[in-house]
Amino acid sequence: GAVVSQHPSRVICKSGTSVKIECRSLDFQATTMFWYRQFPKQSLMLMATSNEGSKATYEQGVEKDKFLINHASLTLSTLTVTSAHPEDSSFYICSARGELGNSGYTFGSGTRLTVV
Amino acid sequence: QQQVKQSPQSLIVQKGGISIINCAYENTAFDYFPWYQQFPGKGPALLIAIRPDVSEKKEGRFTISFNKSAKQFSLHIMDSQPGDSATYFCAATGYGNKLVFGAGTILRVKS
Repeated sequence: GAVVSQHPSRVICKSGTSVKIECRSLDFQATTMFWYRQFPKQSLMLMATSNEGSKATYEQGVEKDKFLINHASLTLSTLTVTSAHPEDSSFYICSARGELGNSGYTFGSGTRLTVV
Repeated sequence: QQQVKQSPQSLIVQKGGISIINCAYENTAFDYFPWYQQFPGKGPALLIAIRPDVSEKKEGRFTISFNKSAKQFSLHIMDSQPGDSATYFCAATGYGNKLVFGAGTILRVKS
């Protein structure tokens, strides 16, 4: 089946630094990737949608200059949290959709970001 | 119109019992309804999904019931086991758009 690899699984960084999270589709080409943020005991909140080779579409209220998304290839998307602050601490999850369309949403294992 | 309403928020079931989680939607353009299971510290994993052309889909102990006219769908977990204890999310999407998630249900199966 489709596999999405997300790294790192956990990261601790200092305030003011930037952190990059990678999301790779291992056995399929991901035409679209989604980035979510999840707070404890809450649902997934979509941050942005990215299509390979084009700019990401951000959801309302998400700062695109703070959460930089790059989808340079059909198998890799990255989320960079710039100038991180403690309030950016959260669980970030990526999802990839391939050519199967609606049937092909596969999620990564998530990244726990802690900003100290 | 993009919302998916999920209930209950939490659920405690005895081992061997039936767990039932319900979802309702408004957008009639939705054509794909998946259920995801999430364990603490992990990403969601697809459990089972249904399209509106069928009223029921069963995979092992998991069954989705779908009522198109009522715009409701539900997940039934038969013979619930402690290993089923997790958070369950329903979702919906249409025409290859983004998934819209329910608020989630925390299921605890008591042994």
